[in-house]
Amino acid sequence: DTGVSQNPRHKITKRGQNVTFRCDPISEHNRLYWYRQTLGQGPEFLTYFQNEAQLEKSRLLSDRFSAERPKGSFSTLEIQRTEQGDSAMYLCASSPKVRLGNEQYFGPGTRLTVT
Amino acid sequence: GESVGLHLPTLSVQEGDNSIINCAYSNSASDYFIWYKQESGKGPQFIIDIRSNMDKRQGQRVTVLLNKTVKHLSLQIAATQPGDSAVYFCAENIYNQGGKLIFGQGTELSVKP
Repeated sequence: DTGVSQNPRHKITKRGQNVTFRCDPISEHNRLYWYRQTLGQGPEFLTYFQNEAQLEKSRLLSDRFSAERPKGSFSTLEIQRTEQGDSAMYLCASSPKVRLGNEQYFGPGTRLTVT
Repeated sequence: GESVGLHLPTLSVQEGDNSIINCAYSNSASDYFIWYKQESGKGPQFIIDIRSNMDKRQGQRVTVLLNKTVKHLSLQIAATQPGDSAVYFCAENIYNQGGKLIFGQGTELSVKP
């Protein structure tokens, strides 16, 4: 399967701990995005990369959140000092160089539960 | 805009009927739109997209209609099947203003056999 992959699929952590998620985009996709989704809501944009450059960050991305894409391939999203409000599905998406528009293909997500 | 609460709009159809899912988008400057299907516990799945210079686009069993005058988007699914049961989201993007998609409120489609 050559789709977007995310690891781990599920993460349970205690409040105050740090967590890191990984995203592997579709090969040759130069753009990579992170979104957060809570129950019953649509995904909310967090940040995106074009190659290794982080081009945009949402105000949702507090200073406890950091994302990297060091070699322009996979990306990591780290949350420090987790809070119960961080519990959500964290989705990664990638897109190729522009065709019709900014089409994005999503991975299966990492479900985070903070206890 | 603000997200609505936990209760998604629901559309219930009989297997074999056509389904129409509607979406009102928020920004008149948006020029690219995508429909996604999301099954429980999975990430959103790309269905079909459309640029603002088009008012209709067809795929396999799906058609997207765009009405820029009233900022309205619809997804038509022909001959709906039980496997179409999912939550459907529309998403908008302003192509020259970065990569983020802004998602609308989802609609839960339930297909009765």
